[in-house]
Amino acid sequence: TQLLEQSPQFLSIQEGENLTVYCNSSSVFSSLQWYRQEPGEGPVLLVTVVTGGEVKKLKRLTFQFGDARKDSSLHITAAQPGDTGLYLCAGLNNAGNMLTFGGGTRLMVKP
Amino acid sequence: KAGVTQTPRYLIKTRGQQVTLSCSPISGHRSVSWYQQTPGQGLQFLFEYFSETQRNKGNFPGRFSGRQFSNSRSEMNVSTLELGDSALYLCASSRLLAGRKETQYFGPGTRLLVL
Repeated sequence: TQLLEQSPQFLSIQEGENLTVYCNSSSVFSSLQWYRQEPGEGPVLLVTVVTGGEVKKLKRLTFQFGDARKDSSLHITAAQPGDTGLYLCAGLNNAGNMLTFGGGTRLMVKP
Repeated sequence: KAGVTQTPRYLIKTRGQQVTLSCSPISGHRSVSWYQQTPGQGLQFLFEYFSETQRNKGNFPGRFSGRQFSNSRSEMNVSTLELGDSALYLCASSRLLAGRKETQYFGPGTRLLVL
């Protein structure tokens, strides 16, 4: 069974601060996806990283896939209250038929 | 293009009852996956259907079952409900390319409360 550990579980910061969320595993994934989920809604895909060492930027969000494709990070620069939500990482196995989710990081950005 | 829709959005049941949840995937998506989300366990995979056949199954008891229709719509059923079944049930649809899942799109979920 492939497991994904996310840290931290909870994060409460002030507007304008930077933060990093980590997603770690002992297993190799063919790709790693990051989702954001708001209360009462389903997760919405932010990005998919596929290549080891890949870095993708989405405005103030920077996503990195580890060289060995076992871990990933999400860095938010100058966080805003609109970034508040549950951030989930999910790894796709090598067969491409199973997506395993991390436990999530609940982020609150205070104005 | 319409997104994934789930009905009902909210449901209250009592222990011992059974429940059926419905999911309509994005047009053209033939893979439908179901997940259970709880504060303690996070998002856990229940099962996936493709072309009316169960393709994968997670580690849930036999009380949890599902099916898919020829139009790709899917239903999941939970029989003999327990308090611990209270959760947000999410459905996600995707295309398959050479058997591999492409991007999954989630519905808003059905929040089930078992009393």
